[in-house]
Amino acid sequence: GAGVSQSPSNKVTEKGKDVELRCDPISGHTALYWYRQSLGQGLEFLIYFQGNSAPDKSGLPSDRFSAERTGGSVSTLTIQRTQQEDSAVYLCASSPAGYEQFFGPGTRLTVL
Amino acid sequence: GQQVMQIPQYQHVQEGEDFTTYCNSSTTLSNIQWYKQRPGGHPVFLIQLVKSGEVKKQKRLTFQFGEAKKNSSLHITATQTTDVGTYFCAGRGNFGNEKLTFGTGTRLTIIP
Repeated sequence: GAGVSQSPSNKVTEKGKDVELRCDPISGHTALYWYRQSLGQGLEFLIYFQGNSAPDKSGLPSDRFSAERTGGSVSTLTIQRTQQEDSAVYLCASSPAGYEQFFGPGTRLTVL
Repeated sequence: GQQVMQIPQYQHVQEGEDFTTYCNSSTTLSNIQWYKQRPGGHPVFLIQLVKSGEVKKQKRLTFQFGEAKKNSSLHITATQTTDVGTYFCAGRGNFGNEKLTFGTGTRLTIIP
């Protein structure tokens, strides 16, 4: 079956514009994570959805960042008023609760 | 909150030498997972350890979970160029649907 997909694969935007990044998890996976990874750096946790529980938003770096997960499936990460320091690869991962995470290919965001 | 640290941050080894990365959690874990991220790729699951003192092997890779379930290690015997990448541990706490927390990663480079 299909793995985790993310779109777009690349996004170039101008400083101050809003962007939306999409994640399609593996069907049936109850957990969904968003991470940010700058070049050569580790994984920075952003947000975690688990079933119908309230999401863990503790990793969101500012109120410009928000995410939602509709119907327990597709998730959208929105960054408002983008800044140059937002440039990074944004990775989405899904998993059955308590098991391994399956990562998508990521969206490379460049803010000019 | 839970923190997971890895050492070393970087490791350069001659092909054929052994390599070890160490993972330490600030809190007791219910389980620990290991992932490998090749350059330009996304993290891929390697293994999960659950039991105190557990040791698992995958060919040249040996994974250990500490007796106190707060630390873990990954040892690669006789490294090959295909081992290049960043190795992440990821731990899960003991409470309900607690999220997986990734370690800081160890980047391995191989000198041919």
